[in-house]
Amino acid sequence: GNSVTQMEGPVTLSEEAFLTINCTYTATGYPSLFWYVQYPGEGLQLLLKATKADDKGSNKGFEATYRKETTSFHLEKGSVQVSDSAVYFCALRTGRRALTFGSGTRLQVQP
Amino acid sequence: EAQVTQNPRYLITVTGKKLTVTCSQNMNHEYMSWYRQDPGLGLRQIYYSMNVEVTDKGDVPEGYKVSRKEKRNFPLILESPSPNQTSLYFCASSPNRDGLSYEQYFGPGTRLTVT
Repeated sequence: GNSVTQMEGPVTLSEEAFLTINCTYTATGYPSLFWYVQYPGEGLQLLLKATKADDKGSNKGFEATYRKETTSFHLEKGSVQVSDSAVYFCALRTGRRALTFGSGTRLQVQP
Repeated sequence: EAQVTQNPRYLITVTGKKLTVTCSQNMNHEYMSWYRQDPGLGLRQIYYSMNVEVTDKGDVPEGYKVSRKEKRNFPLILESPSPNQTSLYFCASSPNRDGLSYEQYFGPGTRLTVT
C-alpha cells in the first residue's frame, strides 16, 4: 500500500534561516506528489505539486523535487518568514485512490 | 468565490446522538471526500465520492455514513457517535475524478467532540 513518512516536528527556525522538511514515500504505481500547508485554524491548502520523476514543484519560495530513485520529495525554502509558521503535510496520490498524507510537520519561525 | 463550506465548525455532542456534518462546494467538482485529522496520524480518508450516487469507503469508514444525492453536497453522518470519533474533520473536493495531478480543495474543518 501507499505510505508517506515525514520528519517529526516541531521544527523551530529563526527568520531568514534555510528550511528543509524531509518526506519519503512508498507507493504502488506512479504517484503524484504534493505538499499541503495548514495555517492555524484553517483547512489545508495546496502549496506545490509534482506529477512525474525529476519534476520540481515551486510556489511562494518553496521548492520540492520528485526523486524517484530515493522515493523522496523534500520541501525546501531558502529564507523562511514568520508568516510561514504552519503545519506542512506531504501527500501522494495514485490512480483513483485518495490522497495519502504524512503525519505533518509543524514549523515555527521566530523573529 | 470558489470554496468548500462545512457546517457546523464546532460541535460537542454525547455518545449515541445521531449527527450530520454538511459539506458543500460551488466549483462543480465531481470528486468529494471526507478526512479526519488526528494528532500524529495526519489525515485519513473516511469516504469518498466519484460522482452523484457513487460513494466508496476510504481507510477508516467504520461508524460513518455518507450520501451524494446532489453534485454539490456530501454530508457525513454519524448514526451513533462514540468518543473515539472525537476529531477534526475535513471535507475536500477535486475537479476531476481521475486526475492524479488535480489538487483537492479543503473546507475549513469541523471540530467534533463526543463525550
